[in-house]
Amino acid sequence: RKEVEQDPGPFNVPEGATVAFNCTYSNSASQSFFWYRQDCRKEPKLLMSVYSSGNEDGRFTAQLNRASQYISLLIRDSKLSDSATYLCVVNGRGSTLGRLYFGRGTQLTVWP
Amino acid sequence: GAGVSQSPSNKVTEKGKDVELRCDPISGHTALYWYRQSLGQGLEFLIYFQGNSAPDKSGLPSDRFSAERTGGSVSTLTIQRTQQEDSAVYLCASSLVHLAGGHEQFFGPGTRLTVL
Repeated sequence: RKEVEQDPGPFNVPEGATVAFNCTYSNSASQSFFWYRQDCRKEPKLLMSVYSSGNEDGRFTAQLNRASQYISLLIRDSKLSDSATYLCVVNGRGSTLGRLYFGRGTQLTVWP
Repeated sequence: GAGVSQSPSNKVTEKGKDVELRCDPISGHTALYWYRQSLGQGLEFLIYFQGNSAPDKSGLPSDRFSAERTGGSVSTLTIQRTQQEDSAVYLCASSLVHLAGGHEQFFGPGTRLTVL
């Protein structure tokens, strides 16, 4: 089983739509969670960290459900510039503490 | 400040040749990672260096791949006897590592390797 599994999409939504991405992780001892964004032919960049209580950054809301080992990202009022691949990321534990495990990514296209 | 840099940005080589890819991490970052990404695919972990600890080589796909990190800073990824399936973008990242494991990885722009 992969460490991180994501709905691969693609998601194609109109501007202004609300879209949600989901992700599950296998290691119940993981402590740190992130969403990264990767634009076409560019390197991944941190979008936001995910905290236990859930957190919001402008139009972006991240949620964590430890019991279900489930992470979500909600994007409200989608913009054309949100078009990218969104990577769900979870840290390792024990001997792999320093590693981050990346999901394969969910592709989003926002159309005018 | 300066981010992670990688060189070369593009490398075209012939099957069977050896290649070296370089990564300069952000100054002060103790952890350095190599990944590769084939077209339309996710990130594939290759190797991880953390301080003076033995590197985690569990992601290296074959013994043709090796990496070193000199002086705790610059890293070189070497691929011997390249094959066409080695063609991909090779990404380097660096980070600080906290006890709780929560840290942001900063990626370089990558080296696009094409093996003819």
